[in-house]
Amino acid sequence: QKEVEQNSGPLSVPEGAIASLNCTYSDRVSQSFFWYRQYSGKSPELIMSIYSNGDKEDGRFTAQLNKASQYVSLLIRDSQPSDSATYLCAVIDSGGSNYKLTFGKGTLLTVNP
Amino acid sequence: DTEVTQTPKHLVMGMTNKKSLKCEQHMGHRAMYWYKQKAKKPPELMFVYSYEKLSINESVPSRFSPECPNSSLLNLHLHALQPEDSALYLCASSRAGDSPLHFGNGTRLTVT
Repeated sequence: QKEVEQNSGPLSVPEGAIASLNCTYSDRVSQSFFWYRQYSGKSPELIMSIYSNGDKEDGRFTAQLNKASQYVSLLIRDSQPSDSATYLCAVIDSGGSNYKLTFGKGTLLTVNP
Repeated sequence: DTEVTQTPKHLVMGMTNKKSLKCEQHMGHRAMYWYKQKAKKPPELMFVYSYEKLSINESVPSRFSPECPNSSLLNLHLHALQPEDSALYLCASSRAGDSPLHFGNGTRLTVT
């Protein structure tokens, strides 16, 4: 069973701080990694995709991927109360010709004003 | 706003009812998905359609029956559900392969 592991939290940070969310995955051949944000009662929203080792920045968000360590992270700079949500790490499992997205259990982030 | 549209937003049904959930996308995506999500849990994959053919069925009970009439539409037919099937049902689409999934707003299903 291929797994995606995240700290369930809750992670609490003050407004303006950097929030750091971490994820590890068990399948060495995984090539595609995503971070989704999900507000309570809403559907997941894609915020970052990353496919290569290193950092990828988009506004206040930076995704970091280390395939050798099977580790992907998300940094949120200048955290705002509106960032309070559950963040889901997701990994594509490309078994044969089928591509299946597997989610971690999610980390609940609270940004305190 | 999402480019994947799901209807209805809410559905309450009895255990003897038959109902359908509908999903539509106009992004030209060739893969479409049904996920089920219970409270405080991550989404769980149910079905994947790739190029209008069922490619993954995650051992879902037969009371859930998917249908993909064309590349833009995905249905989930429901029959004889149990109260434990109450959940948020999410439709998603992608360009297929290892592209990211884009989710609809979901249908909140309650089985009484």
